[in-house]
Amino acid sequence: KQEVTQIPAALSVPEGENLVLNCSFTDSAIYNLQWFRQDPGKGLTSLLLIQSSQREQTSGRLNASLDKSSGRSTLYIAASQPGDSATYLCAVRRGSTLGRLYFGRGTQLTVWP
Amino acid sequence: DTGVSQDPRHKITKRGQNVTFRCDPISEHNRLYWYRQTLGQGPEFLTYFQNEAQLEKSRLLSDRFSAERPKGSFSTLEIQRTEQGDSAMYLCASSRRGVDRETEAFFGQGTRLTVV
Repeated sequence: KQEVTQIPAALSVPEGENLVLNCSFTDSAIYNLQWFRQDPGKGLTSLLLIQSSQREQTSGRLNASLDKSSGRSTLYIAASQPGDSATYLCAVRRGSTLGRLYFGRGTQLTVWP
Repeated sequence: DTGVSQDPRHKITKRGQNVTFRCDPISEHNRLYWYRQTLGQGPEFLTYFQNEAQLEKSRLLSDRFSAERPKGSFSTLEIQRTEQGDSAMYLCASSRRGVDRETEAFFGQGTRLTVV
């Protein structure tokens, strides 16, 4: 069974800091990995998708990396802003024919002015 | 394209009642997923469809839960004889499975169920 762990569980930083969120998974045979953002009481917003053949993806101030062999992914947020405050979730898909995503519990990020 | 739409957004029901939720996926997406999320946890997989076929069901999906996607478009999730433990956010997602790859999954805003 695929287990996904996210560290830290919570993070509080001042505005402007660069930060790294970590995600690890137990089964390296993944199809892709996706990072999401979730605001309180809301659904999930897709941030980045990394295919298993890729090493990283970038979108604006966000950069996600993937190291399949070690079972790790990181989400790098540059120049954090209060609007980045949310829970960030990492999810992996094991195979193209296996549709489900396996989620971690998330990292709750607070960026204060 | 307005994204994945879920209805209702909130539902309060008495224990023992039946409830039904609806999900409308992104129109060109052939895969539709249901997840359940409780406070402080990541979403847990319940079931998914490719077109109208239900391809996988989690062991979390007891006999009281049933999902349908009759025409390969919208889907419904029904919970019969609700219990307090069913209180959670129910999330729907969709994606497109092509010949050689699957697109990223897009989620709806969820249906918050409270069983009293």
